[in-house]
Amino acid sequence: KAGVTQTPRYLIKTRGQQVTLSCSPISGHRSVSWYQQTPGQGLQFLFEYFSETQRNKGNFPGRFSGRQFSNSRSEMNVSTLELGDSALYLCASSLGSRSQGNFGPGTRLTVT
Amino acid sequence: ELKVEQNPLFLSMQEGKNYTIYCNYSTTSDRLYWYRQDPGKSLESLFVLLSNGAVKQEGRLMASLDTKARLSTLHITAAVHDLSATYFCAGGYNTDKLIFGTGTRLQVFP
Repeated sequence: KAGVTQTPRYLIKTRGQQVTLSCSPISGHRSVSWYQQTPGQGLQFLFEYFSETQRNKGNFPGRFSGRQFSNSRSEMNVSTLELGDSALYLCASSLGSRSQGNFGPGTRLTVT
Repeated sequence: ELKVEQNPLFLSMQEGKNYTIYCNYSTTSDRLYWYRQDPGKSLESLFVLLSNGAVKQEGRLMASLDTKARLSTLHITAAVHDLSATYFCAGGYNTDKLIFGTGTRLQVFP
C-alpha cells in the first residue's frame, strides 16, 4: 500500500508570494491533517479534514487555508508569504480518530 | 485546551544504558502517540496507546500509558546508536487533531 505523498518536496518562494502544497493520503483514508514544524515553535496543528469538511483549524492567520477534494486529496495554501512561514509542512492521513496517523515525507518551504 | 509536555528535552545516553522519556498531558486525551523523527525526515509512528494501562513494546522501546496520572512513558532498554533521533509524544481527543510535545532529542554514544 502506498504511503502518504506530498508534493512538492522542496519549495523556495519570495516574501509576498503565495504557495500551494498538496497531500495525497493512503488509499481508503478519509482524514487528512496538516502540521507546521519549525525549530522555534515545534510541531503545530494547522487543519484537519474529513470527507471534504474542515473539522478543526489551528491558531494560524487567515493567510493559511486548505481544502479537501472528493478523492480525499488535500491542498493547503499560504498567501502573502512571510519569512516566518519557512518550515517543514507535514500532512498525515488516517482512517479516523484513535487510529494510527501516517505522516507524509513533508514539504520543506523556504521563504526568502 | 490540551497541552503536552515532554522531558527531558535533550538526552545523551551511553550505549547499553536504560532511560525513560516522560510525557505529561493537561486534560483528557483519548489516545497517546509516540513518533520518531530523524534529522531532515518526517515522523515515523512508533506506538499508539488507547487505554489506561496500555503497554506496547517494539525492540528496545516500550511505551506505557497512565490516564489517571495523565502520563505516558517511553522506556529505552540497552540503548544503541541507531536509536539516536528526536522522539515526540502527541495526544488528541475525539478528532484527528494532535497536540505534540516539544520532543526529546536522544543521542546515544559509545
